[in-house]
Amino acid sequence: ETGVTQSPTHLIKTRGQQVTLRCSSQSGHNTVSWYQQALGQGPQFIFQYYREEENGRGNFPPRFSGLQFPNYSSELNVNALELDDSALYLCASSLAKGGGTEAFFGQGTRLTVV
Amino acid sequence: GQSLEQPSEVTAVEGAIVQINCTYQTSGFYGLSWYQQHDGGAPTFLSYNALDGLEETGRFSSFLSRSDSYGYLLLQELQMKDSASYFCAVRDQGAGSYQLTFGKGTKLSVIP
Repeated sequence: ETGVTQSPTHLIKTRGQQVTLRCSSQSGHNTVSWYQQALGQGPQFIFQYYREEENGRGNFPPRFSGLQFPNYSSELNVNALELDDSALYLCASSLAKGGGTEAFFGQGTRLTVV
Repeated sequence: GQSLEQPSEVTAVEGAIVQINCTYQTSGFYGLSWYQQHDGGAPTFLSYNALDGLEETGRFSSFLSRSDSYGYLLLQELQMKDSASYFCAVRDQGAGSYQLTFGKGTKLSVIP
C-alpha cells in the first residue's frame, strides 16, 4: 500500500454542483498529478502540481481546477458537474515532475453525478 | 497527439507465461511504464523502460524497442492473483510538463 491517501472514497453529487476532492501525497514527494479514470478505460491526465504551481494540464476544461499546499497535499475542484464527470479520480505523487520513473497512486475517489 | 494500443483482454492458464504488447505513438518520448490495477484498486507500478532492452523484476519482465515504438510486459509462472488490468503508459512531455499517458488497459484473466 502506498502512502497516498484520498478522500472521500465515494461521493454522489447532482449535476451542476461543485465538488472538492483531496489528496495527501507520499512523504517527501513534491509532485502531485490528478487523473480521471472512466469505467473500463485507462487513467487520463488532468493536471500536475509541482511545488504549489500547476505544471502541465491535459485536455480538460477550466472548470477542473486544483491547488497544492505547502505540505504538498492537493485538491481537485470540479465546478458545474456534468453526468460525464462520473468516474474514478486518482491522485498520484512522485519525487519528480511527470512521475519520474514511478508514480504512487491513491485508492481514488469514486464520483457519481446524477 | 499521443496514442497507445494494447489488447483489451487476455486469458491464460495458471503457471503459464503471458505477453502483453503495447505500441505507442507520441512526441517527446522519455520512457514506457507498466502498471497493474486490480478491480476497485489503485494502479501500482510494475516497471519502467527508458532504454531499449529487457528489464526483469522477479516474475515480471518488460521490454522496449524505441525504434519500433513497441514494448511488452511478460508475466511468468502466472498465479491467480495476477488476474487484473495491466496498463502501459508513456512518459512524455505534453502541455509543458512531463506526464503519463495511459493505454486503455489489458484485462488479464488467469484460469486454473
